[in-house]
Amino acid sequence: DAKTTQPNSMESNEEEPVHLPCNHSTISGTDYIHWYRQLPSQGPEYVIHGLTSNVNNRMASLAIAEDRKSSTLILHRATLRDAAVYYCILRAPIDSGGSNYKLTFGKGTLLTVNP
Amino acid sequence: KAGVTQTPRYLIKTRGQQVTLSCSPISGHRSVSWYQQTPGQGLQFLFEYFSETQRNKGNFPGRFSGRQFSNSRSEMNVSTLELGDSALYLCASSSPGTGWYEQYFGPGTRLTVT
Repeated sequence: DAKTTQPNSMESNEEEPVHLPCNHSTISGTDYIHWYRQLPSQGPEYVIHGLTSNVNNRMASLAIAEDRKSSTLILHRATLRDAAVYYCILRAPIDSGGSNYKLTFGKGTLLTVNP
Repeated sequence: KAGVTQTPRYLIKTRGQQVTLSCSPISGHRSVSWYQQTPGQGLQFLFEYFSETQRNKGNFPGRFSGRQFSNSRSEMNVSTLELGDSALYLCASSSPGTGWYEQYFGPGTRLTVT
């Protein structure tokens, strides 16, 4: 499985934007980039995913480099509730149908949000 | 719509015993994946079931097994428990309705082996 590299930890202030980086230099053309986060004492929660183009949803934005070797998760205004471990994951399809895949989690980035 | 539920939430077992954990996916979801989370190894994929068939398997010993029922509920079993099996066991479900892109995780079962 292609690997991702994330900083171990990052710190932000409440109501400021947060940019969480992820390097994935061995990404293949069919790998999707997924982001999940895990709040304390909870299971992981889907945040966003993308393939080539930048993506936005109600939770965050995902900026993907043109060569796809890196991406950045952007939280536009951090809140205390955003304090969590953020995982950047490459979703590699196991079969050509694309529905059969597994997620390989790394260590993630622990985001601390200061009031 | 109810989320993924896992039972029991907490469990204490003795080394050598076996344990069965249960996962009920979101209604309509047919894929269920299991993960083990420990402080040292992080989140590791155990296996995934789809329509009662195991489609994918991670690198865990044969003591770890699972099954899925016709209503998509899934169970995982760990036999001959070892101290190192103490972990948070998470299950996640997904559906073609979201293009298989999102996995919805349950709160997990915290297993402690003494």
